Amino acid sequence: LAKTTQPISMDSYEGQEVNITCSHNNIATNDYITWYQQFPSQGPRFIIQGYKTKVTNEVASLFIPADRKSSTLSLPRVSLSDTAVYYCLVGDTGPNTGFQKLVFGTGTRLLVSP
Amino acid sequence: NAGVTQTPKFRILKIGQSMTLQCTQDMNHNYMYWYRQDPGMGLKLIYYSVGAGITDKGEVPNGYNVSRSTTEDFPLRLELAAPSQTSVYFCASTNRGISYEQYFGPGTRLTVT
Repeated sequence: LAKTTQPISMDSYEGQEVNITCSHNNIATNDYITWYQQFPSQGPRFIIQGYKTKVTNEVASLFIPADRKSSTLSLPRVSLSDTAVYYCLVGDTGPNTGFQKLVFGTGTRLLVSP
Repeated sequence: NAGVTQTPKFRILKIGQSMTLQCTQDMNHNYMYWYRQDPGMGLKLIYYSVGAGITDKGEVPNGYNVSRSTTEDFPLRLELAAPSQTSVYFCASTNRGISYEQYFGPGTRLTVT
């Protein structure tokens, strides 16, 4: 499983765009990049997953460069409720994979202020 | 659907006691997982199951046991509780072959003193 590195913490203000970058230099060909969000005293919640280029859903965008050695989670116009820990995970979690094992690092603590 | 439910929400154990953490999902998911999360840390996989009757160890299985007799239930057994098992325990499930998204329960906060 590829190791990931992401900032320990980030601060932002309401209405700003937040970009959290994750490094995964040893990503394998079959690996996907997945982001989860965790609020205090809750289990993690899936945000987005991608393999290459750009993926967008109603919550966030995920940008993956051609070499796939890093990825950036983009949260548009954050609000106070986006204050949480964000985890970047890399693993073979593609649609044709059997067992799906996720390895969670310590994540990035995002604090959104008024 | 209730999703993934866990009981109890909180529990205090004395050293050497045993208990079972319950996990149930009503989404007919085939894969289920148990994680533990220590303060300020990420989640670590304890055990997982790919279907009824099939379980396997994760990263930190020592001191725990699991069983999966039905698709819905995946209980985690702690034998001879130790202070090192003080943690928050999360159960999760996913439907492999359909989706890669893991659904997590609300967690059980366990303190061993």
